[in-house]
Amino acid sequence: DAKTTQPPSMDCAEGRAANLPCNHSTISGNEYVYWYRQIHSQGPQYIIHGLKNNETNEMASLIITEDRKSSTLILPHATLRDTAVYYCIVRPIYNQGGKLIFGQGTELSVKP
Amino acid sequence: DGGITQSPKYLFRKEGQNVTLSCEQNLNHDAMYWYRQDPGQGLRLIYYSQIVNDFQKGDIAEGYSVSREKKESFPLTVTSAQKNPTAFYLCASSIKGVHEQFFGPGTRLTVL
Repeated sequence: DAKTTQPPSMDCAEGRAANLPCNHSTISGNEYVYWYRQIHSQGPQYIIHGLKNNETNEMASLIITEDRKSSTLILPHATLRDTAVYYCIVRPIYNQGGKLIFGQGTELSVKP
Repeated sequence: DGGITQSPKYLFRKEGQNVTLSCEQNLNHDAMYWYRQDPGQGLRLIYYSQIVNDFQKGDIAEGYSVSREKKESFPLTVTSAQKNPTAFYLCASSIKGVHEQFFGPGTRLTVL
């Protein structure tokens, strides 16, 4: 079972920041938070991951609360091509087999 | 270009027939994975392999089989024992111990 909770859908205006929340209240100290996204009928794409510090890369920023029980993925200037399902995944640092457990994710619709 | 290829993109089979889905990667990754995705759902792990000639069952391995004779190849056979084989199948690979998984474009299997 997925260990994360995400809203099923969100809308965002093109050019605005998209803030996607994720609740992972049962996260343990040795678990990372990962974000992937899946554009319709394609394979998922890795976005970013973090342990406890905020992280930023060319795609997005990840803000993790101090208690690590929730996080927010921020797409700073959403475009129509960012329309996708976004998955928040919790995974142990030393992951047996490396598997990812996907929940149902948040379907983000970026509108003009 | 480096990447993961899955072929074909669409596959149709009659009920009761075994079918093998191809997954090839030229990323020199150690680990490879097979996931299944049903409409509106997240991905579920079928099998994974961390080294050649070794693989482990994932969460939904019943009715599937795999082989890992070469590092770059991880074919999945959907057998007639799989009760609901119609789904979107995704292959992924990763460097062992590294966070990011790279996904292929997927094969959409329809059993008639």
